Amino acid sequence: QKEVEQDPGPLSVPEGAIVSLNCTYSNSAFQYFMWYRQYSRKGPELLMYTYSSGNKEDGRFTAQVDKSSKYISLFIRDSQPSDSATYLCAMSAVGGNNRLAFGKGNQVVVIP
Amino acid sequence: EAGVTQSPTHLIKTRGQQVTLRCSPISGHTSVYWYQQALGLGLQFLLWYDEGEERNRGNFPPRFSGRQFPNYSSELNVNALELEDSALYLCASSLGQNQPQHFGDGTRLSIL
Repeated sequence: QKEVEQDPGPLSVPEGAIVSLNCTYSNSAFQYFMWYRQYSRKGPELLMYTYSSGNKEDGRFTAQVDKSSKYISLFIRDSQPSDSATYLCAMSAVGGNNRLAFGKGNQVVVIP
Repeated sequence: EAGVTQSPTHLIKTRGQQVTLRCSPISGHTSVYWYQQALGLGLQFLLWYDEGEERNRGNFPPRFSGRQFPNYSSELNVNALELEDSALYLCASSLGQNQPQHFGDGTRLSIL
């Protein structure tokens, strides 16, 4: 079983729709959860950073963490063509490890 | 504030050669990380340096090595290059342990 699972299937939505992305994980030691956005030929850009369970909202973006189900989500409201990118979930454990474990990424296309 | 900068942006090498990649972290960041993003494999953790010391290493052979300098910049060295080393090599930096990691745009390495 992979440490972090993210369905890599491409996702196409019309402009203004809600984009819903999710990841599952197997390592119960993970306490920090992140979402990164990566445009073509660029490095990942940190979008959301949360610790433990709960919700976090930042503008049009909402991140949810459910540690009991080992499930995290990212919602993008009022999606724009500029949101077209690959979205990567990442997570790490507390302690001296500091290694980020990534999902494979979801390619999102927002159609004008 | 300048982000993480990496050089060079592209490199073409042949099998058996050696390569050195460079990274300058965000000002004030003491931790530097290296990740490999190969096609179809997602981002894989390579190395973590903090205060000049190697703190953690991913599941890569010893021909992948690096160092961190007193100004916190870092180098990644790869010896005896193999075809499967073709990938985007990403550097990230953070303020310290368990802090958000911010990425550069990477060095794309192609092995012929």
